[in-house]
Amino acid sequence: GAGVSQTPSNKVTEKGKYVELRCDPISGHTALYWYRQSLGQGPEFLIYFQGTGAADDSGLPNDRFFAVRPEGSVSTLKIQRTERGDSAVYLCASSLTSGNTGELFFGEGSRLTVL
Amino acid sequence: AQKVTQAQTEISVVEKEDVTLDCVYETRDTTYYLFWYKQPPSGELVFLIRRNSFDEQNEISGRYSWNFQKSTSSFNFTITASQVVDSAVYFCALSDSGGGADGLTFGKGTHLIIQP
Repeated sequence: GAGVSQTPSNKVTEKGKYVELRCDPISGHTALYWYRQSLGQGPEFLIYFQGTGAADDSGLPNDRFFAVRPEGSVSTLKIQRTERGDSAVYLCASSLTSGNTGELFFGEGSRLTVL
Repeated sequence: AQKVTQAQTEISVVEKEDVTLDCVYETRDTTYYLFWYKQPPSGELVFLIRRNSFDEQNEISGRYSWNFQKSTSSFNFTITASQVVDSAVYFCALSDSGGGADGLTFGKGTHLIIQP
């Protein structure tokens, strides 16, 4: 499809396990963002990529969270030693332009449940 | 620090009524951008509008209109003649163009329910 694709759509895991969430942005979009949305809350910024590099990772809550985008397209958000508090919907967005002046195109998210 | 407040957690109106969603923001920057996004039950956030801090003109797009007032730090969103398909969670968001995180700061959202 032409939109932002995220897999898996749902992930249930046990506390302490390792999880990977994948984002396939719109073709040609150089900017890619990860957000986390808890129930009843707005999305919270996690990390921003411009091309292959993480231009801003100030939103990552701790060192258990890490994201990569090795070829400047697909990105993977990795969470180590998951905790129950990590349960949320993880949203990916891409944009044609860098910074915050452009329109963000969001995927439908990956719902993570940590038991 | 940036902050966006959407005081209305949930609004329920009957179809064809007009409804206004409030958004109040805080920022120390003189250059910033304001956004509205719609999140239907599918979960995918849909961009509705972007407004920069130097453009205070109100905007109308079909049944949607936006009222930006810097004097009150508000960027309210009105839906005229609401329809059931307008039911969704609506988020107001803020970003600056300067230093700090490059991400948007979202409000908590307003859940809009349009009853037939």
